[in-house]
Amino acid sequence: AQSVSQHNHHVILSEAASLELGCNYSYGGTVNLFWYVQYPGQHLQLLLKYFSGDPLVKGIKGFEAEFIKSKFSFNLRKPSVQWSDTAEYFCAVILGGATNKLIFGTGTLLAVQP
Amino acid sequence: DGGITQSPKYLFRKEGQNVTLSCEQNLNHDAMYWYRQDPGQGLRLIYYSQIVNDFQKGDIAEGYSVSREKKESFPLTVTSAQKNPTAFYLCASKEGAASDTQYFGPGTRLTVL
Repeated sequence: AQSVSQHNHHVILSEAASLELGCNYSYGGTVNLFWYVQYPGQHLQLLLKYFSGDPLVKGIKGFEAEFIKSKFSFNLRKPSVQWSDTAEYFCAVILGGATNKLIFGTGTLLAVQP
Repeated sequence: DGGITQSPKYLFRKEGQNVTLSCEQNLNHDAMYWYRQDPGQGLRLIYYSQIVNDFQKGDIAEGYSVSREKKESFPLTVTSAQKNPTAFYLCASKEGAASDTQYFGPGTRLTVL
């Protein structure tokens, strides 16, 4: 079965530390990839997305992610985190097909200590 | 002010009662979705609708029902058959088949006592 894996369930960092959150998917065909973020008490919102082209995509608030097809990965990165980045981060995938169903990973809770 | 609204924000019900969660969008989006979010499990798809008067079961549809009589509305009913209904429910919408980005509402936290 197709799935999305986020191996880091809970990450704690100090401000200014670098961040990398892992995301792997299991599907051999065409995929569209997303990272969503849920700040405390706020809507789930889109951070960045990859459909095609340059595999390094830049999103809002200094985040970026790299699609590595050979590794089935779409890891999220930020060179220097801030306290305001404390949130839950979800990787999601749309598999090629007619339904356009979004499949989510289990989420990574990031806590940034000031 | 465009967007997706879900009401109420918090909902309490007694076990055995059906409850309907509201989701309205004024984005003129064709597709709408219902997810439930549980700690450590991410978001799981309950039902989705790609056009008015049509909807499809998602991965965890048992114990839920939906309707899509109007483009802007996609209410979700949590029935007494749902064995573990306490959760955070998120509604989303998407412009159409050519768009792949879903936009989410603020969610409804349902607690069944």
